[in-house]
Amino acid sequence: LAKTTQPISMDSYEGQEVNITCSHNNIATNDYITWYQQFPSQGPRFIIQGYKTKVTNEVASLFIPADRKSSTLSLPRVSLSDTAVYYCLVGRSHSGGYNKLIFGAGTRLAVHP
Amino acid sequence: KAGVTQTPRYLIKTRGQQVTLSCSPISGHRSVSWYQQTPGQGLQFLFEYFSETQRNKGNFPGRFSGRQFSNSRSEMNVSTLELGDSALYLCASSDRGDEQFFGPGTRLTVL
Repeated sequence: LAKTTQPISMDSYEGQEVNITCSHNNIATNDYITWYQQFPSQGPRFIIQGYKTKVTNEVASLFIPADRKSSTLSLPRVSLSDTAVYYCLVGRSHSGGYNKLIFGAGTRLAVHP
Repeated sequence: KAGVTQTPRYLIKTRGQQVTLSCSPISGHRSVSWYQQTPGQGLQFLFEYFSETQRNKGNFPGRFSGRQFSNSRSEMNVSTLELGDSALYLCASSDRGDEQFFGPGTRLTVL
């Protein structure tokens, strides 16, 4: 399973766009990139998953360059409630029976008023 | 659908005791995974059960064990508790390998 590297922490202000970059130099051909969000004393929550180029849902966008060695989670117009830890994970897609999630240290995002 | 439920939410035990935690997955989900989260080690995978069989296992000692019942409910057992077992234990369920849905966790404190 590919190792990921993310910034330990980030600060932002309400209304700003936040971009969190994850490095995964050893990503394999069948690996997907998945992001989870975790609030204190709660379980992680799936945000978005992608394989290449760009994926967008109602919560975030995920940008993946052609070499796939990094990815960027983009949160538009953050609010105080987006303060959480964000984890980048790399591995086979869910539909590949991939139920052993390997979490890194994550990025602690603090959104200020 | 109701989400993943875990019981109890909080538990205090003493060293040497054993503990059993319970997880009820989302209805229809057959895969249940368990994770341990501590401030020092972060989120670590314990094991996964699918159709009553352990399918994946993390790097934890044999004191940590689990099982899954025919209704997909799962239990996790830790024997001979150590201080370092104090953690948030999270359970996640999924359907045919789709995204994992996590429960609120059980906060275990070992004194």
